Amino acid sequence: AQKVTQAQTEISVVEKEDVTLDCVYETRDTTYYLFWYKQPPSGELVFLIRRNSFDEQNEISGRYSWNFQKSTSSFNFTITASQVVDSAVYFCALSDFMIKAAGNKLTFGGGTRVLVKP
Amino acid sequence: EAGVTQFPSHSVIEKGQTVTLRCDPISGHDNLYWYRRVMGKEIKFLLHFVKESKQDESGMPNNRFLAERTGGTYSTLKVQPAELEDSGVYFCASSQDPYASSYNEQFFGPGTRLTVL
Repeated sequence: AQKVTQAQTEISVVEKEDVTLDCVYETRDTTYYLFWYKQPPSGELVFLIRRNSFDEQNEISGRYSWNFQKSTSSFNFTITASQVVDSAVYFCALSDFMIKAAGNKLTFGGGTRVLVKP
Repeated sequence: EAGVTQFPSHSVIEKGQTVTLRCDPISGHDNLYWYRRVMGKEIKFLLHFVKESKQDESGMPNNRFLAERTGGTYSTLKVQPAELEDSGVYFCASSQDPYASSYNEQFFGPGTRLTVL
């Protein structure tokens, strides 16, 4: 069975501080996908990133960066120089790698609420 | 292009009543998923449609929940009778082609917040 754990339920920072969100996952699959989604106050889940399990290269997109370490089953997310607009709930998720008609249902973590104060 | 829409945005009902949630996927998307987040916990998979067929309903909690997708377009999720523990946010997501050779991104709707009193 798959499991995703986000140990931090809430993080509060002051604007311009960096914030790192932890994500640890469990799966018996040797290949899989990992994701991060953002849920702003408006409610919808906004896709941020998808990574294949065989690609451990870290990725940077603007102020966002992701550190994937297969050896520790972690996929951490860092927001650099946080802004008030980054305030949201962030979810880490996992899915099967195999493309199949049965679909790729997502297994989510509990989410981390980030509050960025001005 | 319109995204995934869900109706209503918020529903408040009493225990024992019936509620029907609706999801309109992105036009042309054959895959439709239902998820829910209960009591601030993790978002959990409920079921998956490919067109009008239920492909995977392993996450449906019990027989008080009935999902349909007649005609393979919009989907409804009915809860009858509703219980207190059904309160939460119900998300719908859609993706394009179940037989595609590459990963199909799931696009989520804004969710329906269900409160059972």
